[in-house]
Amino acid sequence: KQEVTQIPAALSVPEGENLVLNCSFTDSAIYNLQWFRQDPGKGLTSLLLIQSSQREQTSGRLNASLDKSSGRSTLYIAASQPGDSATYLCAVSGNTPLVFGKGTRLSVIA
Amino acid sequence: DADVTQTPRNRITKTGKRIMLECSQTKGHDRMYWYRQDPGLGLRLIYYSFDVKDINKGEISDGYSVSRQAQAKFSLSLESAIPNQTALYFCATSDGTGISTEAFFGQGTRLTVV
Repeated sequence: KQEVTQIPAALSVPEGENLVLNCSFTDSAIYNLQWFRQDPGKGLTSLLLIQSSQREQTSGRLNASLDKSSGRSTLYIAASQPGDSATYLCAVSGNTPLVFGKGTRLSVIA
Repeated sequence: DADVTQTPRNRITKTGKRIMLECSQTKGHDRMYWYRQDPGLGLRLIYYSFDVKDINKGEISDGYSVSRQAQAKFSLSLESAIPNQTALYFCATSDGTGISTEAFFGQGTRLTVV
């Protein structure tokens, strides 16, 4: 059974700092990995999708990497802003639909 | 308009009542999913459907049923609601034509069972 773990569960940083969120998964037979953002009580917004054959994807200040063989992904956020405060979710799909980690709650302090 | 629309957005219901949550999508995707989100437990899969004639149980299907009325519509029913079904429910879609496809989520339905 696929299990997804996100570390840390919560993170607080000062504005302008670069930061890394971590995601690990137990079964490396995945099709893709997706990072989402969720604001409190709101829906999920897709940030980046990395296919299993890819090593990284970039969108603006966000860069996600994937090391499928070791079962790890990182989400790098450059020059963090208070508007980046949210919960970030990692999810993987393989032979079953998306399996989610429990998320990292990020607070960026002005 | 949102690509994935869930109705209602909020609902309070009494224990034992039957309730239906509806999801419709305009993305033309074949695959649709229902998840629930609970504090500390993350998102868990309830049911999913890869096409109109396909229904599959997820991790936590007990107490729930679904109906795929059309490619664009996927409904989740709670036959007899109980308080521990209080949660945030999400519908999602993805394209079934390729292996590596992006999933899109609705805004969620906040259900409270009292």
